[in-house]
Amino acid sequence: QVHLVQSGSELKKPGASVKVSCKASGYTFTSYPLNWVRQAPGQGLEWMGWINTNTENPTYAQGFTGRFVFSLDTSVSTAYLQITSLKAEDTAVYYCAKEGNDGFDIWGQGTMVTVSS
Amino acid sequence: SYELTQPPSVSVSPGQTARITCSADALPKQYVYWYQQKPGQAPSLLIYKDDERPSGIPERFSGSSSGTTVTLTISGVQAEDEADYYCQSADSSDSSVVFGGGTKLTVL
Repeated sequence: QVHLVQSGSELKKPGASVKVSCKASGYTFTSYPLNWVRQAPGQGLEWMGWINTNTENPTYAQGFTGRFVFSLDTSVSTAYLQITSLKAEDTAVYYCAKEGNDGFDIWGQGTMVTVSS
Repeated sequence: SYELTQPPSVSVSPGQTARITCSADALPKQYVYWYQQKPGQAPSLLIYKDDERPSGIPERFSGSSSGTTVTLTISGVQAEDEADYYCQSADSSDSSVVFGGGTKLTVL
């Protein structure tokens, strides 16, 4: 069974940092790109970018440069999303999604990040 | 920037057919993918490459394409189909991924 399991919910203060993990199982982690998608409360899906799990090269969508960092630990088949200098508007559910040959075929369960003082 | 436009909401009675459109704002149109998201759950792949159905997806879900508009059709809608539906494609100029704004399907 192919799975992506994400880390649990986070409550952070403005200005802090957060690191969300996404652990893959059931497939060869380095064979498929890993995407990140944000969903603000009551809003739609917003693509943040992707990371090449073979070369570890990240690509960031417009609006997600500077404070957002994608990284990997291929030894444990895990991808990470780090967000620094958190703002209230970063409050959202963050999803990782495996990009197969035919779309985003496997999604993590999502990680809720709440930024509040 | 490349945009995909969906109707915010569609309502249909059980057993009827629901059609959700996704219009691209430019050619060439890349393949479109559809995702279903039920409340409190992650999205899941419903249709890929405009009209292909992954294994395990019921036959009542189908996709079609005409020009710059792709349509998700749900035949014989069931109460369990009530969800948000998102189309997704790529901007051919830079390969960035784009999602439509989403359509809330209400089963009356």
